[in-house]
Amino acid sequence: DTEVTQTPKHLVMGMTNKKSLKCEQHMGHRAMYWYKQKAKKPPELMFVYSYEKLSINESVPSRFSPECPNSSLLNLHLHALQPEDSALYLCASSQVRTYTDTQYFGPGTRLTVL
Amino acid sequence: AQSVTQPDIHITVSEGASLELRCNYSYGATPYLFWYVQSPGQGLQLLLKYFSGDTLVQGIKGFEAEFKRSQSSFNLRKPSVHWSDAAEYFCAVPMNTGFQKLVFGTGTRLLVSP
Repeated sequence: DTEVTQTPKHLVMGMTNKKSLKCEQHMGHRAMYWYKQKAKKPPELMFVYSYEKLSINESVPSRFSPECPNSSLLNLHLHALQPEDSALYLCASSQVRTYTDTQYFGPGTRLTVL
Repeated sequence: AQSVTQPDIHITVSEGASLELRCNYSYGATPYLFWYVQSPGQGLQLLLKYFSGDTLVQGIKGFEAEFKRSQSSFNLRKPSVHWSDAAEYFCAVPMNTGFQKLVFGTGTRLLVSP
């Protein structure tokens, strides 16, 4: 099973709302990633978790708060977002943190901030 | 720093015709290189990857890519395109930062005409 699942598929929220995105994998991967993808642009890395610990934060604003409660689950908590945060949010996982590991991507959550 | 360039923003190919998508890399040593495909509104799927050894790499869905050091290229090819191949294609390289940060090219959108 090489599947990464993400919920919800679509999310519309106001700038004062608090919402969460969820990502799950059951491949035994110990690295998990959040990417942001604007329309007609490549994905941009936001966060990397390794062994449930935050390894990398690519200078992401604090209105995005990641959480990795266990090795299979990755959340992205959203609060006080701006309209420019509207994008496709992709989750990925990989075996271990080396250059040769393949990242497996989920289908993404399409976020619209009103 | 490693980077990849995809010079073609979009390409239109007739169904059944051959396809070549260009990717040029910038890196002194032999790079690791990936090709991903993204169907509209979906996540990314790995087509193939190159690490070392045989410079002609076979991937899924009938795709192949050839690593050419003399041209700093890793072009993606398919002998006969199907309408379902219409998608966005990304070339990517991992950054040498101690963890797998993928840096994507700007992507090439493939349109398939009847």
